[in-house]
Order: sequence, then C-alpha cells, then structure tokens
Amino acid sequence: AQKVTQAQTEISVVEKEDVTLDCVYETRDTTYYLFWYKQPPSGELVFLIRRNSFDEQNEISGRYSWNFQKSTSSFNFTITASQVVDSAVYFCALRTNFGNEKLTFGTGTRLTIIP
Amino acid sequence: DTGVSQNPRHKITKRGQNVTFRCDPISEHNRLYWYRQTLGQGPEFLTYFQNEAQLEKSRLLSDRFSAERPKGSFSTLEIQRTEQGDSAMYLCASSPAGGETQYFGPGTRLLVL
Repeated sequence: AQKVTQAQTEISVVEKEDVTLDCVYETRDTTYYLFWYKQPPSGELVFLIRRNSFDEQNEISGRYSWNFQKSTSSFNFTITASQVVDSAVYFCALRTNFGNEKLTFGTGTRLTIIP
Repeated sequence: DTGVSQNPRHKITKRGQNVTFRCDPISEHNRLYWYRQTLGQGPEFLTYFQNEAQLEKSRLLSDRFSAERPKGSFSTLEIQRTEQGDSAMYLCASSPAGGETQYFGPGTRLLVL
C-alpha cells in the first residue's frame, strides 16, 4: 500500500520569508516517483517538480528547492523569498513503478503568504 | 501546446439525475486519468486509459460511474443517479507515452442538491 502524509495543514508566513513544506511517504516498491503540485484558488493542479527514487540529489530551480531523503522517506519542498502569488494549496504525490499509473496524494498544505 | 481542458467547469444537478463530463487531453498524450477531489482532501484516483483501453479502475468507481475514451482522444465520465455524496471536483489529467508526469486540467466542480 502507498501513503503520503503532509502533517502541516496550514502555514502562514510573511512575504519574502522562506518556507518549507513537509512530505513523508510510504511504499514497499523500490522504484517510485515523487511530485509536488500547486493548487491555486482556481482549482487547477499545477505540476512543480518530480524526483525518482534513484536520484537523491537535491536541486534548486529558481525559488524552489527540494530535499529528498530515502532514509527518512521524506520529500520536503522549500520556497525561498516567498511571494503573495505563492499562496495556494500544495500537494505531495507518489507514483510507483511496475505499471501502476495512479498518483497517491497527501491531504495538502494550505500556504498563505502575508503581504 | 494547449493544456488539458474540461467541460463544463461547474455543474449543479438534482439528486437522481445523470451527468456527463468531458476531458480533452494534451494533444498526442496517449494516457488519460480521472481523479475525484472532495473538500479539504487530495485528489483520489478513479480510472486510467491508455489510448482507448481502460486499464485500471479504482474501487471508488461504483456501478453508477462509467468512463469512456472511444477514439483514444477525449474522454467522458458519466455519473448515473447522482447522490449528494458525489459532490466533488472531478479532475482529468494526461501524460505522454513513457512520461511520468501527469498534467491536470482545471476540473469540473459538481454539486448535487
């Protein structure tokens, strides 16, 4: 069985602060993919980043960075110098290999950036 | 490239009525997915197509739900005899062959009165 846990229900930070969103996953598969999606008030899920289980290298893409640690089954996501437009619900998702196409989502973290 | 489109964006219906939603995937994406999202929750997988073949169905997809993708392009999701518990956002996503990332449409928000 697969499970994704986002323990932070809501986070509020002042604009320009850095913020980290936590994600913990469970799977017995050795090959899997992890994702972060953003859902603004309009409702559309916007793809942000993807990581596969073989690559634990952490990267930075613009204001986004992520910390993938297999030892703790965590895939945390950081926004640097937050902006009001970053306000949204953020979802972490897991997809395993071997023909299983579905994404398993966490319950989301509502991020509010205070101007 | 245009993104995934869904119609209608909003639907209000009375309990017991049938409703049908349409999803047009990104051009040349051969995989298409349906998810359901209730308030305060993450999306939950309903079903998946590769071209016109429906390859996977969730237990959430009761007998009242049916999905089709007749020509391997657009897809429809029909709910028969709607119930108040069917009220949710219905999301469609697509991905290319061999691609791991699913790209989502804007969703259809259903309210059953």
